[in-house]
Amino acid sequence: GIQVEQSPPDLILQEGANSTLRCNFSDSVNNLQWFHQNPWGQLINLFYIPSGTKQNGRLSATTVATERYSLLYISSSQTTDSGVYFCAANRDDKIIFGKGTRLHILP
Amino acid sequence: ETGVTQSPTHLIKTRGQQVTLRCSSQSGHNTVSWYQQALGQGPQFIFQYYREEENGRGNFPPRFSGLQFPNYSSELNVNALELDDSALYLCASRPGVTRSNEQFFGPGTRLTVL
Repeated sequence: GIQVEQSPPDLILQEGANSTLRCNFSDSVNNLQWFHQNPWGQLINLFYIPSGTKQNGRLSATTVATERYSLLYISSSQTTDSGVYFCAANRDDKIIFGKGTRLHILP
Repeated sequence: ETGVTQSPTHLIKTRGQQVTLRCSSQSGHNTVSWYQQALGQGPQFIFQYYREEENGRGNFPPRFSGLQFPNYSSELNVNALELDDSALYLCASRPGVTRSNEQFFGPGTRLTVL
């Protein structure tokens, strides 16, 4: 089945820094989503991005489907950005999550 | 707010017992998926229901079963609980069965098996 790999597994940054999170997938996918999981476990939708580029405030994402990767950019990080970021790929009616990137933003 | 609710929030069971978790999808969302998230891991796909029938399943044994009802609610049932079933259980809904639909998650039920 399809494999989804995220990197880096952990990232520690000072407030105000920029970051890039990567998601690689091993085969073509029908869609790709990015989520932020808050400390209580709620998965918050960030982007639904099977291809192309989208921006929402300080966050943006790019998926290059032909090269099987997606990037999540966070600019001017804030402490509230801390948490775990997941990408999830949909193929053949199964949704596969990566293991996540744990982001720590220090004040 | 995603419009997806789950109950209960927390649950403690003992090994061998049975448990039922509930999810209420967004109105108009015909597809619901269930996931298991162990501590420190990403969510693992359990199964998916569309119009009250299972139409996709991950690598979970038959003691994990589900139901979907016409009123956009669904259940996850787990029989013969094992210690490794301790996890956060998430449901997600989306408008149709088309593979490209965006899905929205509920807040989860945290199950502890003692």
